[in-house]
Amino acid sequence: EAGVVQSPRYKIIEKKQPVAFWCNPISGHNTLYWYLQNLGQGPELLIRYENEEAVDDSQLPKDRFSAERLKGVDSTLKIQPAELGDSAVYLCASSPGRGEAFFGQGTRLTVV
Amino acid sequence: AQSVTQLGSHVSVSEGALVLLRCNYSSSVPPYLFWYVQYPNQGLQLLLKYTSAATLVKGINGFEAEFKKSETSFHLTKPSAHMSDAAEYFCAVSDQTGANNLFFGTGTRLTVIP
Repeated sequence: EAGVVQSPRYKIIEKKQPVAFWCNPISGHNTLYWYLQNLGQGPELLIRYENEEAVDDSQLPKDRFSAERLKGVDSTLKIQPAELGDSAVYLCASSPGRGEAFFGQGTRLTVV
Repeated sequence: AQSVTQLGSHVSVSEGALVLLRCNYSSSVPPYLFWYVQYPNQGLQLLLKYTSAATLVKGINGFEAEFKKSETSFHLTKPSAHMSDAAEYFCAVSDQTGANNLFFGTGTRLTVIP
């Protein structure tokens, strides 16, 4: 069974440019998470989806971040415009429930 | 609200020695508890989970953890460290109400000394 797939693995952009990350969760997992991980820190939840509904986006900086999960499967996280402080690893995870999450390899974003 | 505290951001052990990584949780409802491992430039991999069945949970790679409600702890142990255990370890908590939010600690970097 394929795991959670994220792309790209690495992205370098100039500040003020837009960027998008894509995630394909494990088939059948209704819950999808986007996490932000800064260097040396634990993952911090940005948004959680149940099917296509964003049920918790309280930590998503909505002035520049947006996310969507069309048809309750794949998801895209976008930043526009990117700032230097957005440099981090963006992790996607999916879950069959009970909080047990399966993670993708992450996208490392560098904003210069 | 749930949270976890991991005591010790860095732990060093000799190869073959006992590994003990500490995690204390805070939860207003019965928790689900998890340990994840992260190798450099990789995502997080589930080591083991507590979901209200047996309090002593065995995971992959010889790791185990014990849920102690009275101490609000879920410490991770391994009897004998191997070089390949060097990684970052994260404790995480969710809850049994079905909210499915998963909160992580700040992590403990394990170094194994040959």
